[in-house]
Amino acid sequence: GAGVSQSPSNKVTEKGKDVELRCDPISGHTALYWYRQSLGQGLEFLIYFQGNSAPDKSGLPSDRFSAERTGGSVSTLTIQRTQQEDSAVYLCASSLALVGGTQYFGPGTRLLVL
Amino acid sequence: QQQVKQSPQSLIVQKGGISIINCAYENTAFDYFPWYQQFPGKGPALLIAIRPDVSEKKEGRFTISFNKSAKQFSLHIMDSQPGDSATYFCAASTAGTYKYIFGTGTRLKVLA
Repeated sequence: GAGVSQSPSNKVTEKGKDVELRCDPISGHTALYWYRQSLGQGLEFLIYFQGNSAPDKSGLPSDRFSAERTGGSVSTLTIQRTQQEDSAVYLCASSLALVGGTQYFGPGTRLLVL
Repeated sequence: QQQVKQSPQSLIVQKGGISIINCAYENTAFDYFPWYQQFPGKGPALLIAIRPDVSEKKEGRFTISFNKSAKQFSLHIMDSQPGDSATYFCAASTAGTYKYIFGTGTRLKVLA
């Protein structure tokens, strides 16, 4: 694919339900990043992957949030027992190299928790 | 010390005018400063970036000015066009790290 893709593009869920957000990085990009963008706010770093490893999970807001990456490619961000404050746009980015690599962003998944 | 402060929060410019967005940082270890442009419903896209070894970088109508001693950098959009209307984010990162620290964004509207 030409760029980073994310699915679904929009997700509406009820409070307390679990959701899974998917990210397909640019082919060959070893680093993958998840960010959260709340309405009118900047980008909040959540987690990054180098290959399949996530050395730093300190940006995850709570233990309801988890992420995994398989095969050094696709990544899934899971939010368990969603809360209304989880409503935001979740952005994924990838880069060719972990250090100094320009991050290319996907279009995001717009999550609304009712 | 990890923060990047961005201003203004919003900006309205007439077509053909100059748009100026400013960012300031504290961490002197930052050595890469990208600007991203985000249209509604889209992810941020890299616009232009600079390293502190130069004071200015120009790409078309977009220029980054960098003041290392003041720990400030700014984006100038010359001959602003309605198509430039978007949200602009500055960011900073440190060599050897993976994390971009983003500013809070500036919503630019260029009037036709």
